[in-house]
Amino acid sequence: DAKTTQPPSMDCAEGRAANLPCNHSTISGNEYVYWYRQIHSQGPQYIIHGLKNNETNEMASLIITEDRKSSTLILPHATLRDTAVYYCIVRVLNNAGNMLTFGGGTRLMVKP
Amino acid sequence: DAGITQSPRHKVTETGTPVTLRCHQTENHRYMYWYRQDPGHGLRLIHYSYGVKDTDKGEVSDGYSVSRSKTEDFLLTLESATSSQTSVYFCAISEDLSSYEQYFGPGTRLTVT
Repeated sequence: DAKTTQPPSMDCAEGRAANLPCNHSTISGNEYVYWYRQIHSQGPQYIIHGLKNNETNEMASLIITEDRKSSTLILPHATLRDTAVYYCIVRVLNNAGNMLTFGGGTRLMVKP
Repeated sequence: DAGITQSPRHKVTETGTPVTLRCHQTENHRYMYWYRQDPGHGLRLIHYSYGVKDTDKGEVSDGYSVSRSKTEDFLLTLESATSSQTSVYFCAISEDLSSYEQYFGPGTRLTVT
């Protein structure tokens, strides 16, 4: 699975959009981009995933560049409860073990 | 939230003792996973199961064994705990191999002294 690069930390004001970038320049054609987050002392939580097209769900939007070498997770109206570590992962669906490998992630601090 | 529980939530044990961690799900999902999370290493897969009595090794399986005798339960055993196995252990489930999401339990913090 391709590796990802994320900034170690970011701040965001409550109520504003949080834009979390991720670089995955070695992504291959059959690898999906996934985002998970982990709130302190809890298990990771799935947020969203995509292959080529931009995606939106009730939690966030995912913008993937046309060359697929980078993506941005957007939390449209960040709240204090969105303070967490956000992980960008690229992996092949249906690979043996269906494993997730988390790197360092981005620690998002939402401030009042 | 997906129905996943882990027990115990916290455990302190001595080097050389056996330890079993339990993951219980009420979702009837086929796939279950055990991960460990350590500072600087992120989340790493230990073992996973793709059905009752069907298990396979993950990235860091040495020193661990697993068993799944029922769909709802996935046990992780440390036969002889070592200090390097001090970690936070997460169980996860997914409906099938094509599922995009894994749902994680609350974690077990294990300290081996």
